Amino acid sequence: QLVEFGGDLVQPGGSLRLSCAASGFTFSDYVMSWVRQAPGKGLEWVSSISESGGSRYYADSVQGRVTISRDNSKNTLFLQMNSLRVEDTALYYCAKVESGYDYLRLAGYYVMDVWGQGTTVTVAS
Amino acid sequence: DIQMTQSPSSLSASVGDRVTITCRASQTISSFLNWYQQKPGQAPKLLIYAASSLQSGVPSRFSGSGSGTDFTLTIDSLQPEDFATYYCQQSYNAPSYTFGQGTKLAIK
Repeated sequence: QLVEFGGDLVQPGGSLRLSCAASGFTFSDYVMSWVRQAPGKGLEWVSSISESGGSRYYADSVQGRVTISRDNSKNTLFLQMNSLRVEDTALYYCAKVESGYDYLRLAGYYVMDVWGQGTTVTVAS
Repeated sequence: DIQMTQSPSSLSASVGDRVTITCRASQTISSFLNWYQQKPGQAPKLLIYAASSLQSGVPSRFSGSGSGTDFTLTIDSLQPEDFATYYCQQSYNAPSYTFGQGTKLAIK
């Protein structure tokens, strides 16, 4: 299970830190990701972090303004968001990434198989 | 960056119909293609992974096919609970991902 929190109304240029608490699986064994959805829009991948936290990846739209991190001792994922813009307004989901190989179809895969219910970030003056 | 284009953006169908949604990648992604279903007010739910593998617990009326750049999601005998928005997602560039723009399936 994943539970996000920390979303809020913030002014443009402001900062916010989102958290995602994980339970029911060995958190430190999995890559984790953030995905967002602007009101009435589709899904947009935001950021991913490796199991140890040593590797981090960002979408171009947030590069340089957000930092993903994790605390494996507390089973928690974070997203520090700075210099927020109106276009960052969205529902932010955290997701667990499962990877493997389907030997029947001889195909590898990476999937977001567990999602939280999201936390809402609103950037407005 | 890999772009994912779904078609149609929306469609209407009746209970019992067979529907097909297509997803095209801007470059080859082998079979690194997933499909998700999202209902209003809910988080996305994984349906199909590796282009054609059915996620555990997903009804067998859902199926996926394709490889390279062209993929399809087919729903046989639509049920009332299937009316939702469907997204494809490439994971070829994992841990960076791209979603299609979504296809909203409505009741006719």
